Formats: sequence, C-alpha cells, structure tokens
Amino acid sequence: RKEVEQDPGPFNVPEGATVAFNCTYSNSASQSFFWYRQDCRKEPKLLMSVYSSGNEDGRFTAQLNRASQYISLLIRDSKLSDSATYLCVVNPWITGGGNKLTFGTGTQLKVEL
Amino acid sequence: DTGVSQNPRHKITKRGQNVTFRCDPISEHNRLYWYRQTLGQGPEFLTYFQNEAQLEKSRLLSDRFSAERPKGSFSTLEIQRTEQGDSAMYLCASSQGGNKETQYFGPGTRLLVL
Repeated sequence: RKEVEQDPGPFNVPEGATVAFNCTYSNSASQSFFWYRQDCRKEPKLLMSVYSSGNEDGRFTAQLNRASQYISLLIRDSKLSDSATYLCVVNPWITGGGNKLTFGTGTQLKVEL
Repeated sequence: DTGVSQNPRHKITKRGQNVTFRCDPISEHNRLYWYRQTLGQGPEFLTYFQNEAQLEKSRLLSDRFSAERPKGSFSTLEIQRTEQGDSAMYLCASSQGGNKETQYFGPGTRLLVL
C-alpha cells in the first residue's frame, strides 16, 4: 500500500464548478499535511497547509480527518487557471529528524470553458 | 529573485557519464532537501541537510549518488555512471526547519540519460 494515495484523475470540470479531491495516508503518526500545486513541467508550490480544524483560503478549503487518515481539498467556483496537478503531501516528522515530505502521485484537474 | 535556484535546468547525458547538479537555497534557510520526480509520480525524498550535515539518505540513493553541502549554503548532487533509470526531474527544496516547516522548491533539473 502506498503511503499517500490519491485518485490520479483527470478531473475535467466546467468553469465555475465545485470540485473535491481526496487523499488517504497510511502512517498514523504523521504530523503535518499539505496540498501542493504543480503546473506542467514546473516545481511544486505550496497551496495550503491542512489543519485538524479545517481551514479555508479564498475558494479553497482543506479538511483533515485523523481518525480516518483522510485529507480533502475543495475548490469552489473553479477557474481556468486552477488547471494543474494537486499533490497531497504528508510529513511524518520525527523528533530531531527532518521533514521528509511524502507525496501522493497527484490528481490532475482540467477546468474547461 | 530570492527563491531556490537550481542549475542546470536541463541536462542530457550519455549512459555511463557523471553529472553534477547545483542547488542554491533561500539564504536564511538551514535545511536543504533533494527529491526526485519521475513522470506521473509525486516527488520522492532522496536526502537532506541541516546546515552542512547530511542527516538522512533514502534507500533510493544508491552508492552512485553523492550529495554535499560543504559550507551550509549551496548543495551539489552528483550521479556517477549514469543509467537510463536515472532520467527524472531532480528537485531541491529549502526550509527554516521546525516541525511544521514549509519547504520551498526550486525549478528542478531535468535529467535525460540516453
């Protein structure tokens, strides 16, 4: 079983639609969680951190369910510019160690006119 | 630009040759990470440095790979006797550390081994 699992998509949605991505992780000791966005042939860029209480940044909402080891990302009113691959990222941080981010394979989103 | 920079951006080499990549982190960041990404996959951790000390290496990092960060600033990743399976994007990230740190990625070096 992969440490971080995501549906690779692609998700093809019309402009203005609401789309949700899910992700599960296997390491129950994981400490922090993120969504990164990656455009084609570019580096990953942090979209948002994910907190247990849930958090929102404009049109983007992230949720974490530690009991189910499940992370979600909701994008409302999607724009053409949201087309990208969304990477679910888990940090199993160990005291005194570094933060070896563990990435999912990514979910591809295509927003269409 | 004060972000993470990587050079070269692209490298084409023949199997068996040695290649070296450079990463310049954000100046005040003490942690530096190397990741590798192949097509259709997310980045995979290779190794990381806290200042000049290399503190962890992944099993993915065979003995043909070596990384250094001699003065705690820039880092180099060398691959000796390259193989076609080494073809990938090599990403560098830096951070200020801490258990909830944010890692900032450079643009990557895309390696193609013929």
